[in-house]
Amino acid sequence: RKEVEQDPGPFNVPEGATVAFNCTYSNSASQSFFWYRQDCRKEPKLLMSVYSSGNEDGRFTAQLNRASQYISLLIRDSKLSDSATYLCVVNSGNTPLVFGKGTRLSVIA
Amino acid sequence: ETGVTQSPTHLIKTRGQQVTLRCSSQSGHNTVSWYQQALGQGPQFIFQYYREEENGRGNFPPRFSGLQFPNYSSELNVNALELDDSALYLCASSLVGLSTTNEKLFFGSGTQLSVL
Repeated sequence: RKEVEQDPGPFNVPEGATVAFNCTYSNSASQSFFWYRQDCRKEPKLLMSVYSSGNEDGRFTAQLNRASQYISLLIRDSKLSDSATYLCVVNSGNTPLVFGKGTRLSVIA
Repeated sequence: ETGVTQSPTHLIKTRGQQVTLRCSSQSGHNTVSWYQQALGQGPQFIFQYYREEENGRGNFPPRFSGLQFPNYSSELNVNALELDDSALYLCASSLVGLSTTNEKLFFGSGTQLSVL
């Protein structure tokens, strides 16, 4: 089983839609979690950290379920500019960050 | 902008050649990590340098080697290039090494390497 698994998509959604991505991780000792955004042919950029209590940043909400070992990202009121690949990232403390393959989102006018 | 700069931006090499990629970390950051990202894949950890010493290595052969300099800039060297080495090579800087659980990475824009 891969350390971090994501549905590669693509998710094609209309503007204004709500879309959710899930990510599962295999290492139960994982301690910190992030979502990164990567535009085509560009570097990944930190979107948000994921906290146990869940956290929100504008239209973006991240949730962590330790019991089921999954992380989610919810995007409300999708914009064309949200089109990108979203990378789920996990840190197990004394190991480097482990990236999923990413989920591709296309927001259509 | 993250303040992490990489050079060159693009490179074309042939099999068997050697390549050196360079990275300048963000001001104040003492740790540099290198990642390889093949098309359609997530970034894969190559190694990390903390205060000029290798501080962790991923599943890459010894022909991938690196250096970190006193100013925390870094080089990635790849010998005996293979076709499968074609990828985007990303450098990321951070303030702490592997001992933290809340490490956030700031990436450079990468070097696109094509091996023919």
